[in-house]
Amino acid sequence: GAGVSQSPSNKVTEKGKDVELRCDPISGHTALYWYRQSLGQGLEFLIYFQGNSAPDKSGLPSDRFSAERTGGSVSTLTIQRTQQEDSAVYLCASSLAVGGHEQYFGPGTRLTVT
Amino acid sequence: GIQVEQSPPDLILQEGANSTLRCNFSDSVNNLQWFHQNPWGQLINLFYIPSGTKQNGRLSATTVATERYSLLYISSSQTTDSGVYFCAVRRSGGSNYKLTFGKGTLLTVNP
Repeated sequence: GAGVSQSPSNKVTEKGKDVELRCDPISGHTALYWYRQSLGQGLEFLIYFQGNSAPDKSGLPSDRFSAERTGGSVSTLTIQRTQQEDSAVYLCASSLAVGGHEQYFGPGTRLTVT
Repeated sequence: GIQVEQSPPDLILQEGANSTLRCNFSDSVNNLQWFHQNPWGQLINLFYIPSGTKQNGRLSATTVATERYSLLYISSSQTTDSGVYFCAVRRSGGSNYKLTFGKGTLLTVNP
């Protein structure tokens, strides 16, 4: 596609439920990144993938968060047993490769945990 | 980790005015990007500028890597320029490829 796409655009879930957020990067981009934006924390990094591998998971806020990428393309961010503090906009980005390459962002998924 | 400071935090202009936004960072970088976040939350890429000067229409940017700052210039501002402008950097070296964002500058352009 022309840009990074994310789905759903909005998700409202009840506390304690699991959610899956999807990211489809720009075709040919080998690096994929997840960030989240919340009022209190600004824009913060969660995890990145080089191909299907995620070498650094230290940005994930808790063990309720996990992410995978298959086929070097689509990635899924899963949040188990959602909490109200998980409410945020989750942004996905991709770049040609890791390192000093320009990152392009998707429109985000707005997650609201009630 | 690397620190990114943006100034001013808020800026109000009349349409047609010029402005300069600043981004200071605390370590050497090999990626610096300026973004405009539109009212729908989308981050729009403005410049990829780890060093040097670039121009795109009414916008231009300069990064002086040796002095660890970058400037974004907006000339002849329009109401559609309103929104939040973010600077984001990636520290040189190491194995962490994340962008670290500043807190942003909220620009309001009044007609």
